[in-house]
Amino acid sequence: GIQVEQSPPDLILQEGANSTLRCNFSDSVNNLQWFHQNPWGQLINLFYIPSGTKQNGRLSATTVATERYSLLYISSSQTTDSGVYFCAGTSGSRLTFGEGTQLTVNP
Amino acid sequence: DTEVTQTPKHLVMGMTNKKSLKCEQHMGHRAMYWYKQKAKKPPELMFVYSYEKLSINESVPSRFSPECPNSSLLNLHLHALQPEDSALYLCASSQGGEETQYFGPGTRLLVL
Repeated sequence: GIQVEQSPPDLILQEGANSTLRCNFSDSVNNLQWFHQNPWGQLINLFYIPSGTKQNGRLSATTVATERYSLLYISSSQTTDSGVYFCAGTSGSRLTFGEGTQLTVNP
Repeated sequence: DTEVTQTPKHLVMGMTNKKSLKCEQHMGHRAMYWYKQKAKKPPELMFVYSYEKLSINESVPSRFSPECPNSSLLNLHLHALQPEDSALYLCASSQGGEETQYFGPGTRLLVL
């Protein structure tokens, strides 16, 4: 079956700090997405990144498909970055989420 | 526009009630999904509709009954739920297959 593992489970930062979140996924995963879930529960698409590197403002992501991992980089973190970050892998029509990284950014 | 809307935002129901959750998208997507998310856990897939036909049912109890009246709408009919069914119910849509899924804001359900 599909396996998606995220680390770390929790991360506390001071505003302005940088961070790296990691996602390992199994062979059956074909594509990868990163989401941010805000405190109100809304899942916001960050990246659809089966391979390579993408950047969007202070966020960037890299997926190395041959080694089955993806990294999400957050630079110059802000309090509004707080929430849960999920990576999710697709296999067929199934999207399977990792357990998430709970990020808290303190002012 | 990448918006998926869900109503209601919050729902409280008794174990003998019948209620429905609604989801709508106007992105021309051909696949729609229901997920269930318990507190401090990731979303879990419940159902997948592709071209208005149910393609995946992840062994969900029959007290949850999905319906796809047309390509833009997805309903989840609820009947005789249990308190453990209390959760955030998320709807999503995509172009299908392994394409990007876009999520609605969810319905927070409390079963008393």
